[in-house]
Amino acid sequence: QSVLTQPPSASGTPGQRVTISCSGSNSNIESNYVYWYQQLPGTAPKLLIQRNNQRPSGVPDRISGSKSGTSASLAISGLRSEDEADYYCAVWDDNLNGYVFGTGTKVTVL
Amino acid sequence: QVQVVQSGDEVKKPGASVKVSCKTSGYKFSSYGITWVRQAPGQGPKWMGWISGYNGDTHYDQKFQGRVTMTTETFTNTAYMELTNLRSDDTAIYYCARASVLVRGGPFDYWGQGTLVTVSP
Repeated sequence: QSVLTQPPSASGTPGQRVTISCSGSNSNIESNYVYWYQQLPGTAPKLLIQRNNQRPSGVPDRISGSKSGTSASLAISGLRSEDEADYYCAVWDDNLNGYVFGTGTKVTVL
Repeated sequence: QVQVVQSGDEVKKPGASVKVSCKTSGYKFSSYGITWVRQAPGQGPKWMGWISGYNGDTHYDQKFQGRVTMTTETFTNTAYMELTNLRSDDTAIYYCARASVLVRGGPFDYWGQGTLVTVSP
C-alpha cells in the first residue's frame, strides 16, 4: 500500500465544495512539493496542482491546493458534473528515493 | 503544442520482454526528463522511474531495479521503457509523461495516452 493516505471517496452536489486530504510523513509531504492529478475514466492522469498550490495554465481557479506539515489538501469549489473522477496526490519520498502516489479518492457529484 | 504519443498495446507471454516507446514533440527534449508510471487494473498509479532528456541519466524505483531499462533517442525525441521477465502482475497500462530535467524536480505535466501491456500464457 501507499505511504500517502487519501479517503477512498468524497461526494457533493453541484455547486458545493469538496476537500480531499493526503496524509504522509516528514520524508515526503513535509520535505517536498505535493502534486495533484485528476484521472477521468479511461484516460491518462492530468496535472491539476503543482508545487503544493500552483495551478497550471488552463486549470480553473475553483481548484486549489494547500499543504501543512505532513498533510496536503485539494479543494474543488463550485462542484460540477465534469469533476467526477479519481484524484491522486503525488510527492517525492526521501526514504524511498522515488515518487509515490496517494491511494486515490473517487469524487462523485450527486 | 506539446504532444506525447506512445506505441500500441502489447500482449506478451510470461518471461518475455516488452519495449514501449514514447514519442514527444513541441518542446526541447533535452530540457526535460521523461517519467514512466504504470497502473494495474483497478489500482492507482505506480511510479517506475525517470530518464533525463539531457544526458540519459536514469533513476529507477527499487521495485523495478534489474528488470527495467529506460533509454532515449534524442534525434527523434523518443523515450523507451523496456521491462523484462514479465509476470502476470505486470499487466497494466504503462504511461510516459514529460517530467523535470531533475529527477525529483517537478510535475508530470504532459502524458501519453497509455499503452496496455497484457501478460498472459
